[in-house]
Amino acid sequence: KAGVTQTPRYLIKTRGQQVTLSCSPISGHRSVSWYQQTPGQGLQFLFEYFSETQRNKGNFPGRFSGRQFSNSRSEMNVSTLELGDSALYLCASSLRGGAKDTQYFGPGTRLTVL
Amino acid sequence: SQQGEEDPQALSIQEGENATMNCSYKTSINNLQWYRQNSGRGLVHLILIRSNEREKHSGRLRVTLDTSKKSSSLLITASRAADTASYFCAPRGDTGRRALTFGSGTRLQVQP
Repeated sequence: KAGVTQTPRYLIKTRGQQVTLSCSPISGHRSVSWYQQTPGQGLQFLFEYFSETQRNKGNFPGRFSGRQFSNSRSEMNVSTLELGDSALYLCASSLRGGAKDTQYFGPGTRLTVL
Repeated sequence: SQQGEEDPQALSIQEGENATMNCSYKTSINNLQWYRQNSGRGLVHLILIRSNEREKHSGRLRVTLDTSKKSSSLLITASRAADTASYFCAPRGDTGRRALTFGSGTRLQVQP
């Protein structure tokens, strides 16, 4: 079974631009979560989607948004990029997103904001 | 929210030695999961131990859980250079936020 895939793997943008990242979960998984990882803040939860609905949200500004499609693929969007948005963005999928589920992570998208 | 705190922050050992890292958490859990992250890459799920289990093995990995002390340990036996990575624990409660919350991790360096 194919793992979680994320595209693109690397991205360079400038301040003020917007960016869209994509995540394809493991086949059959309906929950997709997004995380941001920076050296200073570590791994932080952004949001979780299940059956096309945002079910959980972390403490990030409204510039960070996401959506999930009927095939469970998910995208996250960051508008008006700031230098501090430079990070590794990780997507994780699980069957239902419950506490007993294992979350499987993709390789991440490395975003650099100049 | 439930968050694990890993200890030590950094660990350097020689190839062939055992590595032990610890995780402490604050509230009751349903299970606790360990993940590994190689530099700048995604997280790889290593092992899940349920609250009613005390010990679990997977290959060279041994995880213990002490719910009375709210702590877990991950032992890697006969370490290899390829084990060099950061290790994170993620305690999961039954209710509340479904998101995984991670501490700073333990950075393991295995010298060849």
